[in-house]
Amino acid sequence: AQSVTQPDIHITVSEGASLELRCNYSYGATPYLFWYVQSPGQGLQLLLKYFSGDTLVQGIKGFEAEFKRSQSSFNLRKPSVHWSDAAEYFCAVGIQYGNKLVFGAGTILRVKS
Amino acid sequence: DTEVTQTPKHLVMGMTNKKSLKCEQHMGHRAMYWYKQKAKKPPELMFVYSYEKLSINESVPSRFSPECPNSSLLNLHLHALQPEDSALYLCASRPQGQDPTGELFFGEGSRLTVL
Repeated sequence: AQSVTQPDIHITVSEGASLELRCNYSYGATPYLFWYVQSPGQGLQLLLKYFSGDTLVQGIKGFEAEFKRSQSSFNLRKPSVHWSDAAEYFCAVGIQYGNKLVFGAGTILRVKS
Repeated sequence: DTEVTQTPKHLVMGMTNKKSLKCEQHMGHRAMYWYKQKAKKPPELMFVYSYEKLSINESVPSRFSPECPNSSLLNLHLHALQPEDSALYLCASRPQGQDPTGELFFGEGSRLTVL
């Protein structure tokens, strides 16, 4: 069955430090992978997506992610975190023609000033 | 206009009440979705409408009844809910339902509390 694992429930980084959020997926076919961000009490906003081509994907707000098929991973990175990046981040795989997103459990990012 | 608008933002209802959640988009999207998000959990798919027809029902209890009156509007009718149905209900849309690369645009959600 399709699944997404985000091993880190909480991560705390200092403002200006680099960030990497981990995501591993289990999916038999070509994965369609997404990273979404959710601020408290808000909906979800797409940061970036991968479905083919260059395995390093650029997204909004300075985020990027790298798809590694051999490791079944799609980790999210940002070189310098800002206080406004504090939120919950969800990795997801799209199945059923992308109609169903299977989300990981999420990683809550806290930013220390 | 790149928004998905959900009303109401907050709803408190008793277990015998009937209420509805409303979702609207004017992006010309032909696929619309209801997701449910319990506290401290990821969203889970409930229903998918494609070209105003119900295409996916994730075995949701019948006390939740979706409706898509036209291509811009999606409703979720609620009746005889249980306290465990308290959650954030997220509506989403995307251009069409058969493109696996298509991005979902989410609304801000309706926070439902069932007493």
